[in-house]
Amino acid sequence: GAVVSQHPSWVICKSGTSVKIECRSLDFQATTMFWYRQFPKQSLMLMATSNEGSKATYEQGVEKDKFLINHASLTLSTLTVTSAHPEDSSFYICSASKVDGSSYEQYFGPGTRLTVT
Amino acid sequence: QQQVKQSPQSLIVQKGGISIINCAYENTAFDYFPWYQQFPGKGPALLIAIRPDVSEKKEGRFTISFNKSAKQFSLHIMDSQPGDSATYFCAAIKNQGGKLIFGQGTELSVKP
Repeated sequence: GAVVSQHPSWVICKSGTSVKIECRSLDFQATTMFWYRQFPKQSLMLMATSNEGSKATYEQGVEKDKFLINHASLTLSTLTVTSAHPEDSSFYICSASKVDGSSYEQYFGPGTRLTVT
Repeated sequence: QQQVKQSPQSLIVQKGGISIINCAYENTAFDYFPWYQQFPGKGPALLIAIRPDVSEKKEGRFTISFNKSAKQFSLHIMDSQPGDSATYFCAAIKNQGGKLIFGQGTELSVKP
């Protein structure tokens, strides 16, 4: 149990366009979902925390107007990279924690590789 | 105070050897310390985790040792195998549903 999926697994887009990444908890309800980005050979950097039905909380230095996060249901959160530029190319990973709050554990998705040309 | 410091950055171990990765933290409010394994192009996967009221936890070949007074914890991989070659991250979290604070990562290579 506790499977998180992401779609797409990889995407290539042209500079200036927007791209949406979906994160779904497949067999549990997630109160909170987290979005990370990871550059090669680096650690995961938390971008934002999203709670179902409320606005996302962004980490310092992350542009909220560029990285739009929507957590419309207890099983789905989306990250939209608006007006993407080559420097936005990265590996984006989501995670989710269960709604019952009984566990510290976060369940990670497989990641989405974004390449902006 | 939010940092988790991890070492070494990279580690090469012979097959059958013991891999040891160390982490240190400052914030005593951290209440849960997981280790994640990540293969290239994949998301991290939980390997093993420990609470601060326990000094050691073992699951198969993987053991966490936890030293609360020193604010340090480590991952030991016994009988390391080439399939264990991956990047390992330690992390810490203050409360359920809270933010994970990750270490810098250790790239482990197990040579046959």
